Amino acid sequence: QVQLQESGPGLVKPSETLSLTCTVSGDSIGGYYWTWIRQPPGKGLEWIGHIYYTGTTNYNPSLKSRVTISVDTSKNHFSLKLSSVTAADTAVYYCARFYTLIDGIDSWGQGTLVTVSS
Amino acid sequence: QPVLTQSSSASASLGSSVKLTCTLSSGHSGYIIAWHQQQPGKAPRYLMKLEGSGSYNKGSGLPDRFSGSSSGADRYLTISNLQSEDEADYYCETWDSNTRVFGGGTKLTVL
Repeated sequence: QVQLQESGPGLVKPSETLSLTCTVSGDSIGGYYWTWIRQPPGKGLEWIGHIYYTGTTNYNPSLKSRVTISVDTSKNHFSLKLSSVTAADTAVYYCARFYTLIDGIDSWGQGTLVTVSS
Repeated sequence: QPVLTQSSSASASLGSSVKLTCTLSSGHSGYIIAWHQQQPGKAPRYLMKLEGSGSYNKGSGLPDRFSGSSSGADRYLTISNLQSEDEADYYCETWDSNTRVFGGGTKLTVL
């Protein structure tokens, strides 16, 4: 059974870049789509973007100018960078997986809280 | 792109049944969705994929108490014999070729 684990700093200063990595275990990163979702405290889920294992990406238009998602198949992990962060980017960040573009997310990481504050 | 609408809250008694609704926006009534459960303080958990025909595929280990159905633009999640651990937020998800969208979530209270 696949497991996903987010890692990265829990505190980021305003205007800096948020960087997270999702390590995949129990299955190969090949053959799937990998996605980042975030959830501000007390609010709902927001899709950030996704990447196919080949490197093809799609981003939420509202975040597209600040987001980069990349994949490293040799390390079986994928990463998120969100630049120029503000307090509005404070959220629990989840990594997740889906199989094809006509499938829903079928596996979630446990999530990691990132706070943007000076 | 599609928009998903969910009621903000629902409640039902222990041992009873509840039917949660996720409504697809105009022009998107045929879309497939997925249901996810988020218990307090935990990550979301995939429940099922639900088609417009009402056909659904459940996630591994999901009890038979959980089922899905569809009518037009509405997608339903029915939970029978409610247990205390079913108290959670429930989100629907849909997608097109380039984006993913979530509903606002329904907070289910088990009385």
